[in-house]
This record gives sequence, structure tokens and C-alpha cells, in this order.
Amino acid sequence: AQSVTQPDIHITVSEGASLELRCNYSYGATPYLFWYVQSPGQGLQLLLKYFSGDTLVQGIKGFEAEFKRSQSSFNLRKPSVHWSDAAEYFCAFTGGGNKLTFGTGTQLKVEL
Amino acid sequence: DTAVSQTPKYLVTQMGNDKSIKCEQNLGHDTMYWYKQDSKKFLKIMFSYNNKELIINETVPNRFSPKSPDKAHLNLHINSLELGDSAVYFCASSPLTANTEAFFGQGTRLTVV
Repeated sequence: AQSVTQPDIHITVSEGASLELRCNYSYGATPYLFWYVQSPGQGLQLLLKYFSGDTLVQGIKGFEAEFKRSQSSFNLRKPSVHWSDAAEYFCAFTGGGNKLTFGTGTQLKVEL
Repeated sequence: DTAVSQTPKYLVTQMGNDKSIKCEQNLGHDTMYWYKQDSKKFLKIMFSYNNKELIINETVPNRFSPKSPDKAHLNLHINSLELGDSAVYFCASSPLTANTEAFFGQGTRLTVV
């Protein structure tokens, strides 16, 4: 079955610390992968996407993600977290169309 | 300039009522969607329309009826509301090209009491 797994429901980091949010997918071919962020009471904003080519993709707000086919992963990283990064983060993919399948989300808390 | 806009942002209603949520996008996209986010923040697609034609209907109860008067609008009408319909409903749009990202509205928080 096609699916996306985000193993961490909650993550707490200190401001200024580095961040890595995990995402694993299950799909028979190369998926098209996305990371979205949802701030409290807001809609979803696209952080970055991977379609093909360079496996390290840069996004907005200083985020990056690396596609690793051998590990079926697409982890999101940021070298130094800011308090405003506190939000819910969703990994998602499409396989053969425009239907997005989302992971269950990771809630990020930032300690000052 | 809001790309995908939904109204209302909040909706509180009693069980058994009928309500509608409106969505408009000014991105020129051909495809529009409704997603439901439950109380555990899980997001799942409900419907997808391409140029006013229903493409995806993910086993949603018949009480939910999407309507697309033109490709810039996709409204969601819900009949006989139930407590379990309480959720945040997101409208989204994307270009017709396959495997592209979707642009989301701010969501409508529906509370059925």
C-alpha cells in the first residue's frame, strides 16, 4: 500500500539547535515528495518538493530535505531553529496523479 | 492577494442542519480539491475536480456534495450534519499537470453541536 510515515508525533528543540524531521514512504516507484508546514489556525504552506534530479532540495525559511531512495526517506532539516518555526509539519507524496497522501504530522515545539 | 480563499473560516452549527463552505482560487489552476483534517490533525482527500469534472471521490458519505460552477470555484455542501463531521476542511488547487504541489486555503473549522 502507498503510504507516508512520520515516526515522530512530537519533537521539542531549543532555539538555535538543529532540526531533523523524519519521513518514510512506501511506494513502488519514485514518488513525488513534499513537506508542508501548518502554523496554528493556518492553512498548509509548501516548504519544499522533490520531483527528480538533485536529491538535496532547498526550500523556504532555511529548510532543506534529502531524498534517499535506499532508505525510502525524505527527511526535513534545518541547521538552526527559530521560535517562529513552531508548527505542525506534514510530509506528503503523490504517485501517479495529483492526489496528495499525507503523513500523520510532526508537531514541533521550540524552547526559548 | 489571496490565492485560495475559503469562507467561512469558522462554522458552528447544530446536528441535522445543512451548511455550505465556499472556495475560490485566483491562480488559474484547473484542479481543485477538498481535504478533511480530523481532530488528530490527519489530512485526507475527499474530492478532486478537474475543470468542473469530478475526478476523485474518496468514499465520502452522500451527505457531502461538492459543486463546481466554474474551474475557479469549488463549494462543499453538507446535508444533515453529524457530530463526526466536526473537522477542519481545506480547499486546495493545483495545475492540471500531474504530480505538482497543491496550494491550500486557510481552512474552515466546522463544529457540529
